[in-house]
This record gives sequence, structure tokens and C-alpha cells, in this order.
Amino acid sequence: GDSVTQMEGPVTLSEEAFLTINCTYTATGYPSLFWYVQYPGEGLQLLLKATKADDKGSNKGFEATYRKETTSFHLEKGSVQVSDSAVYFCALSNAGKSTFGDGTTLTVKP
Amino acid sequence: ETGVTQSPTHLIKTRGQQVTLRCSSQSGHNTVSWYQQALGQGPQFIFQYYREEENGRGNFPPRFSGLQFPNYSSELNVNALELDDSALYLCASSLRLADTQYFGPGTRLTVL
Repeated sequence: GDSVTQMEGPVTLSEEAFLTINCTYTATGYPSLFWYVQYPGEGLQLLLKATKADDKGSNKGFEATYRKETTSFHLEKGSVQVSDSAVYFCALSNAGKSTFGDGTTLTVKP
Repeated sequence: ETGVTQSPTHLIKTRGQQVTLRCSSQSGHNTVSWYQQALGQGPQFIFQYYREEENGRGNFPPRFSGLQFPNYSSELNVNALELDDSALYLCASSLRLADTQYFGPGTRLTVL
């Protein structure tokens, strides 16, 4: 079946540091790929998505590119802020089923 | 516009009992999915309903069942509860199949 593997955390960075959270997937067909974020005390919300190979999703300074050749969808941000502290989930949607990674906890220190 | 709501917020049951969790989709959304999220893990897909029909199912036993109503609200029923069923249960609605999902805050189920 489909699977998503994301970089184990927790990740701790200083404000304005560069962020990369790795995500790779295994799936048949042509899945859509997503990054979700869960801020402390809040529900899951969509951060960005890409629906086909080479698409780049972006939102709030975060970016991720759908790489079919490496089956990856790494999340990046050039300069993180304290307010970016949250749990980040990589996920795919394929033929009516969604598969999530286990999440990466990011803490940004001032 | 009202977001996705779930009830109850918290629930405590004993092993062997049955439970019903409820979800109200965002207005106009005809697709709802249910997930189980154990502590420290990502959400696990239980099933999806589209226009009142089950559209996809994850690796959960038949004692996990669901319904979607004409107004697109939804229920998740779990029979013969086991200790491992303790988790956060999330529902998510979308405007159409394969569209962006909007998650509710979840129901925390504890099985003793």
C-alpha cells in the first residue's frame, strides 16, 4: 500500500534559520501531495499542496516541489519565525485514500 | 462560514462498549473523511464518504462503520471497543472528491 516517510524530529532551530523537513513517499499511480500543519492547541490545517509532478506548492513562505523521480516532497522555508513552531505532516491522497506521515515537531527559538 | 465541527470533544468508554462520534461538514461540502490519530503519530485513514456512499476505506476492521446523511453531516460508529481504540478521531470535509480537506478539532476517545 501507499506510505509516507518523513524526517524524524524534533527539530529545533534559531529564528531566521533555514528549514528543510524531508518527506518521501511510495504510491501507485499519480497521488496528490500535501503538507499540513498543526499549531499548538489547534486543529490540522492545510499548508500547501501539489497535484502533479514538478508542481511547486507554496504558502506563508513555505515551499515544496513534487519530485516524481525521487518520490519526494521536501518542505523548505528560507527564514523561520518563532510563530512557525508546530507539528508538520506530509501526506498523500490517492484514489480516495489519504496517507499521512508521523509528523515532525519544529521548535523555533528566538 | 462555519467550519467543520465535531462532537463530543471528549469521551470515556469501557472495553466492549459501542460509541458514536459526530461530524458536521463545512457548508456545501459533499465529501467527508474520518481519521484515527494515536498519540505521537500521524492520522490514519479510516474511510471516506461521498454523497452518502462509502468511497474508500483504510485498514480498519468492520466494527468501524460510518454514515453520511443527506445534509452531509456524518457519524463514525465503533463497536466492541478495545483499549487500542483510544485516540483522537478527526473528520475532514471537502467541497468535492480530491479537493482540499478541512479538518475538525477532533474527538478524544479514551477506552478503559
